Amino acid sequence: DMKVTQMPRYLIKRMGENVLLECGQDMSHETMYWYRQDPGLGLQLIYISYDVDSNSEGDIPKGYRVSRKKREHFSLILDSAKTNQTSVYFCASSSPGGNERLFFGHGTKLSVL
Amino acid sequence: QQKVQQSPESLSVPEGGMASLNCTSSDRNFQYFWWYRQHSGEGPKALMSIFSDGDKKEGRFTAHLNKASLHVSLHIRDSQPSDSALYFCAASETGNYKYVFGAGTRLKVIA
Repeated sequence: DMKVTQMPRYLIKRMGENVLLECGQDMSHETMYWYRQDPGLGLQLIYISYDVDSNSEGDIPKGYRVSRKKREHFSLILDSAKTNQTSVYFCASSSPGGNERLFFGHGTKLSVL
Repeated sequence: QQKVQQSPESLSVPEGGMASLNCTSSDRNFQYFWWYRQHSGEGPKALMSIFSDGDKKEGRFTAHLNKASLHVSLHIRDSQPSDSALYFCAASETGNYKYVFGAGTRLKVIA
């Protein structure tokens, strides 16, 4: 059905708590991404995963880590969340070959208080 | 300075009018460009890509690329209220999986 699903849609956490954002896709795409979106900054790449256990830092990886144990599932983890990590987080996937379109999920709006 | 810059930040056009959005890259390695559209509360959706000099038309949307000036534009003719959204330009190197996004242009189509 060509879908990227993110859970949860909204999340409120206190500073210092751990955060787990989950993403699934049904297209068997090898490549998956985590972006964050902030007003005036567009979308910034946090991590890219080329396949299971093959992850690479993006432009703003500090404070984040990822896990990909199955091709269809990609998790973003914030250990001890900070207030400046309040943002909207998007997961995306793409078919192999590079320069392909990204399929985005609906996003997770995270507030760290 | 962002590697991909979009202008204007916001744009209002009347229904049925033409909307023109611009994107300029400061990195000559970026040869592949995508336009994405994001409606409020949703994730971005790909509109079209362009990597050859000149125009590419898909329905009411026309993208134009000038590699010499690293300038990409998106023109939407016969704009509809449903075209009101945030539009992103994304650039990447040929064969690369990583994209750099601009900050976006917010388009409002006034009925």
